Amino acid sequence: KAGVTQTPRYLIKTRGQQVTLSCSPISGHRSVSWYQQTPGQGLQFLFEYFSETQRNKGNFPGRFSGRQFSNSRSEMNVSTLELGDSALYLCASSLAQGISADTQYFGPGTRLTVL
Amino acid sequence: GESVGLHLPTLSVQEGDNSIINCAYSNSASDYFIWYKQESGKGPQFIIDIRSNMDKRQGQRVTVLLNKTVKHLSLQIAATQPGDSAVYFCAENTGGFKTIFGAGTRLFVKA
Repeated sequence: KAGVTQTPRYLIKTRGQQVTLSCSPISGHRSVSWYQQTPGQGLQFLFEYFSETQRNKGNFPGRFSGRQFSNSRSEMNVSTLELGDSALYLCASSLAQGISADTQYFGPGTRLTVL
Repeated sequence: GESVGLHLPTLSVQEGDNSIINCAYSNSASDYFIWYKQESGKGPQFIIDIRSNMDKRQGQRVTVLLNKTVKHLSLQIAATQPGDSAVYFCAENTGGFKTIFGAGTRLFVKA
């Protein structure tokens, strides 16, 4: 079974631009979560989607948004990019068969550099 | 954004020794805990998990211990190998499908 895939793997943008990152979960997984990883702040939760609905959201500004499609694939968008948005963006998927959290499997991440 | 701590402690062990990585979690309502391993250039990889109704769980060469009284989690790696060198993260989930990660511990294994 293929793992979580993320595209693109690397991206360079300039301040003020917007970016869309894509995540394909493991086949059969219904939940997709997004995280931002930086050396200074560590791994921070952005949001989680299940059945095309955002179930939970971290403490990030509205410039960060996401969505999930009917096939469970997910995209996240960052508008009006700032230098501080440079980070590794990680996507994780899980089966989400019950009401409790279960094991998340991570993709390799998208390395975003904002110049 | 939320995170647990900014400092990344480092643990250096000799190959073949046992490693113990500790983590203090923040929320007494957390009911699911996970340990991840992250190698350079890769996403975090699941190692082992434990729910709050347990205090110990064993996997292959790894054991997780949970002490809810002091909100402490530990990962024990037996017979540490060079391939175990990585950053290890503990993570907690309060049941709201929102996972909070610790700052991580860098493990160096000396050959």
